[in-house]
Amino acid sequence: QKEVEQDPGPLSVPEGAIVSLNCTYSNSAFQYFMWYRQYSRKGPELLMYTYSSGNKEDGRFTAQVDKSSKYISLFIRDSQPSDSATYLCAMRKGAGSYQLTFGKGTKLSVIP
Amino acid sequence: SQTIHQWPATLVQPVGSPLSLECTVEGTSNPNLYWYRQAAGRGLQLLFYSVGIGQISSEVPQNLSASRPQDRQFILSSKKLLLSDSGFYLCAWEAGGGELFFGEGSRLTVL
Repeated sequence: QKEVEQDPGPLSVPEGAIVSLNCTYSNSAFQYFMWYRQYSRKGPELLMYTYSSGNKEDGRFTAQVDKSSKYISLFIRDSQPSDSATYLCAMRKGAGSYQLTFGKGTKLSVIP
Repeated sequence: SQTIHQWPATLVQPVGSPLSLECTVEGTSNPNLYWYRQAAGRGLQLLFYSVGIGQISSEVPQNLSASRPQDRQFILSSKKLLLSDSGFYLCAWEAGGGELFFGEGSRLTVL
């Protein structure tokens, strides 16, 4: 079983839709969770960073972590064509751990 | 504010040639620095990380090496490139909370 699983998509939605992106993981030691957005041929850009379980909201983006289910989500409200990108989840075991474990990314297209 | 620069952005190199990719960070001191490689369908692979000048840890045995000659400079090198070295190379620095911030990447094609 892979440590982090992420559906590669592609996911295609109409403009204005609510998008749900998800990752599951197998290692209960993960404590820090991140979502990155990566446009084609560009470096990943950090969108959300959360510690342990709970929700975090930033504008149109909401990150959720459910450690009991080993499941994290990123919701995008009122999706825009500019949200079209690949979204990567990433997680880290704890302070002093240098290894970030990434999902392989979900490719999202928002259709005008 | 902190910024990270990588160059060159794109390069095409013949098999057996040397490689040097450079990364510099501005606006922070003594950051942890990372080199990742991103291959299509394979996700991000950690290659090297550094916690200070001259301190390099390798995660994957390979044809590459890294050096950190200055506090905010991180260099990825190879003496002889292989076809399998082709990919998208990303440098990143670590903020105080453990999150990573990436550069724009260097796309390497080995022919």
